[in-house]
Amino acid sequence: DGGITQSPKYLFRKEGQNVTLSCEQNLNHDAMYWYRQDPGQGLRLIYYSQIVNDFQKGDIAEGYSVSREKKESFPLTVTSAQKNPTAFYLCASSQTEGLGQYFGPGTRLTVL
Amino acid sequence: RKEVEQDPGPFNVPEGATVAFNCTYSNSASQSFFWYRQDCRKEPKLLMSVYSSGNEDGRFTAQLNRASQYISLLIRDSKLSDSATYLCVVTNPGNQFYFGTGTSLTVIP
Repeated sequence: DGGITQSPKYLFRKEGQNVTLSCEQNLNHDAMYWYRQDPGQGLRLIYYSQIVNDFQKGDIAEGYSVSREKKESFPLTVTSAQKNPTAFYLCASSQTEGLGQYFGPGTRLTVL
Repeated sequence: RKEVEQDPGPFNVPEGATVAFNCTYSNSASQSFFWYRQDCRKEPKLLMSVYSSGNEDGRFTAQLNRASQYISLLIRDSKLSDSATYLCVVTNPGNQFYFGTGTSLTVIP
């Protein structure tokens, strides 16, 4: 089955710890994106990558880092510098301009 | 100014009703337009693309008005299963996606 996988579904961490969220796609899409969604709010773009080994900051990149070493993978690290890391994190991918994005099931991160 | 604005609702409608959502966007250079559906605590799923000529998919009709910079979604004969949050999405040159905050719909038996 083609799609986007994110793991884990739920993640708990202590304050001050870095944590890496996984995102893998087998859709052969060039572009990948990370969003954050807080309760009752819209999606906010953290980072995006249009091509391997290249990525751009989104609207709320502070406290986050990414890498794009392979087309299929776009992991997100939430660092201890992120002030309010508890949120629902969504990874998405897209192909050609004009086509929509497809989302993974998301990871709910809770920092205690 | 936000790239995309939507009425958050909530819209509470009886089964069988027709309901319409509107969304406005600020960048006249926006290129592609979509409606997504998001169920509670789930990821958004692509519902349909929106074309200038208007397009229909079963009970759902989407319209784009470039001159006024708004898009709309019409749902006819609402079902209980249509209850969800509907997100308006536009893309700008460079394929960056902008999401509205969503409009909540509850279909009541």
